[in-house]
Amino acid sequence: RKEVEQDPGPFNVPEGATVAFNCTYSNSASQSFFWYRQDCRKEPKLLMSVYSSGNEDGRFTAQLNRASQYISLLIRDSKLSDSATYLCVVTHGSNDYKLSFGAGTTVTVRA
Amino acid sequence: GAVVSQHPSWVICKSGTSVKIECRSLDFQATTMFWYRQFPKQSLMLMATSNEGSKATYEQGVEKDKFLINHASLTLSTLTVTSAHPEDSSFYICSARGIEQYFGPGTRLTVT
Repeated sequence: RKEVEQDPGPFNVPEGATVAFNCTYSNSASQSFFWYRQDCRKEPKLLMSVYSSGNEDGRFTAQLNRASQYISLLIRDSKLSDSATYLCVVTHGSNDYKLSFGAGTTVTVRA
Repeated sequence: GAVVSQHPSWVICKSGTSVKIECRSLDFQATTMFWYRQFPKQSLMLMATSNEGSKATYEQGVEKDKFLINHASLTLSTLTVTSAHPEDSSFYICSARGIEQYFGPGTRLTVT
């Protein structure tokens, strides 16, 4: 079983729509959680950390459910520039430095 | 601006040759750097943890004699793919831990 699993999508949404997707992680010892964004043929860039209480950064809202071991990301009022692959990332068990990546969820926002 | 650089950004080499990829932290010192590999439409897979002044720690299934890592200074780690084969063609990305974990822009390796 993969350590981090994501729905690969793609999610094709019109501008202004709301899109949400989840990921699940298998290692209950994971302590830190993140969403990264990766554009085609580029390196991943940190979008936001995910906290137990849930957190919001502008149009992006992340939620963490430790009991069910899943993380979600919601994007409101989608922009064309939100088109990317979103990577769910968790720390490698109790080692806060090592990251485990999901394969990514592709989002395409159309005009 | 970029805080982690990689060189080269892309390289094409012939089967059997060796390729060295450099990863540099630009604005901070990094005692620990990480090397990842990403195949098309797949997740980044951690290959090894590079430790300044000591041996690298390799993930299960990664051949340490094939992927040589040297972390000789606090700002530079190198990954050498020895005797490269076409199946080693991939996107290699390094990262370094600063305030957060910063990723280099990646090196696209094509082995013909």
